[in-house]
Amino acid sequence: GQQVQQSPASLVLQEGENAELQCNFSTSLNSMQWFYQRPGGSLVSLFYNPSGTKHSGRLTSTTVIKERRSSLHISSSQTTDSGTYLCALDTNAYKVIFGKGTHLHVLP
Amino acid sequence: GPKVLQIPSHQIIDMGQMVTLNCDPVSNHLYFYWYKQILGQQMEFLVNFYNGKVMEKSKLFKDQFSVERPDGSYFTLKIQPTALEDSAVYFCASSAGLGGNTQYFGPGTRLLVL
Repeated sequence: GQQVQQSPASLVLQEGENAELQCNFSTSLNSMQWFYQRPGGSLVSLFYNPSGTKHSGRLTSTTVIKERRSSLHISSSQTTDSGTYLCALDTNAYKVIFGKGTHLHVLP
Repeated sequence: GPKVLQIPSHQIIDMGQMVTLNCDPVSNHLYFYWYKQILGQQMEFLVNFYNGKVMEKSKLFKDQFSVERPDGSYFTLKIQPTALEDSAVYFCASSAGLGGNTQYFGPGTRLLVL
């Protein structure tokens, strides 16, 4: 089965609302990376977060290894936040396993 | 931050032809990766390359695929011959080390096989 599960699959928000994106994993973790994929396809690295909580502007990432989950919180969403958010599990092997993504649409 | 470049940004070729995708990784990085993303679908790992060798590859890395980085120049993905199902965006990434090191991604090469 899927080693990395993201939820929700899609999310529609009104501008100003907060969003909580979840990533659950079933295999061993070296670290978790969160990406934003623009509608055009390019990837922007948001967080590299092996454990604990990290902040960047309106974004917060929390990884709890023993619970096998990582979350991305977006506060006061803006229309420019629309796009796909991907979590990627850095395993102890040579590869990164991506989730299927959360497609976020923020309405004005 | 560190940047990974990919050339070309778009490529259209006829089925059966050969194509080479080029990646210019971050200068002091040692590990190189290719990923494939079909439009609207999940990003999938293809291959990891280190010290001139393929360290791990997925089942998507068919016999028609090959990678190399001759003399520290571009890290390349060659597909020969191409098939219709090879149409996708191919992302290159590099990292300084394994596990515990951020992978930096390029902007992708959009390949269309007709």
